[in-house]
Amino acid sequence: GAVVSQHPSRVICKSGTSVKIECRSLDFQATTMFWYRQFPKKSLMLMATSNEGSKATYEQGVEKDKFLINHASLTLSTLTVTSAHPEDSSFYICSASVLAGTYEQYFGPGTRLTVT
Amino acid sequence: AQKVTQAQTEISVVEKEDVTLDCVYETRDTTYYLFWYKQPPSGELVFLIRRNSFDEQNEISGRYSWNFQKSTSSFNFTITASQVVDSAVYFCALSEWKGAQKLVFGQGTRLTINP
Repeated sequence: GAVVSQHPSRVICKSGTSVKIECRSLDFQATTMFWYRQFPKKSLMLMATSNEGSKATYEQGVEKDKFLINHASLTLSTLTVTSAHPEDSSFYICSASVLAGTYEQYFGPGTRLTVT
Repeated sequence: AQKVTQAQTEISVVEKEDVTLDCVYETRDTTYYLFWYKQPPSGELVFLIRRNSFDEQNEISGRYSWNFQKSTSSFNFTITASQVVDSAVYFCALSEWKGAQKLVFGQGTRLTINP
């Protein structure tokens, strides 16, 4: 099956710094990637939809200046958490949608961010 | 707006028991997809099934089975002869039919299988 990777898997950063998370589709092209956030013992909430070559579409309540998304190629999307604060600590999961056909989505393994 | 409700927050059963996880959804779309995912403690989402709204046939895969009832907007998941390795959080999700669409997840059900 299709594989999506995320890097890093875990990151600890200090408050006020920025962190970049990469999401890669390893064996297929993905026009669209999604970024989800999951708080402990909670569900996954969509943050934004990332389309290759265009600006991301953010869900209501998600600060686009804080969560910068770049989708520069058909296999890579990045999420940068700028000026991170402890409340940004969370599990971030991306998914990538196959270019056409059934548009099946494949999820990455997630990135656990801890801001101290 | 789309919504998925998993009313069972936590379920605990003894190994070898059958267990059913409920999922009720709301959508105005006539065509859509329904999903179930398993999330073990590692955090990675494991895809279990995708069902389109056209197909109301029940599906069985080994010890797993799914009951899709469009009339009651439900898509329930049953594990037969549960095993300790089935312990995880299970999410039901819904997406639109057309193109690459975001998933709307339910709250999740934490399933614990005790030896």
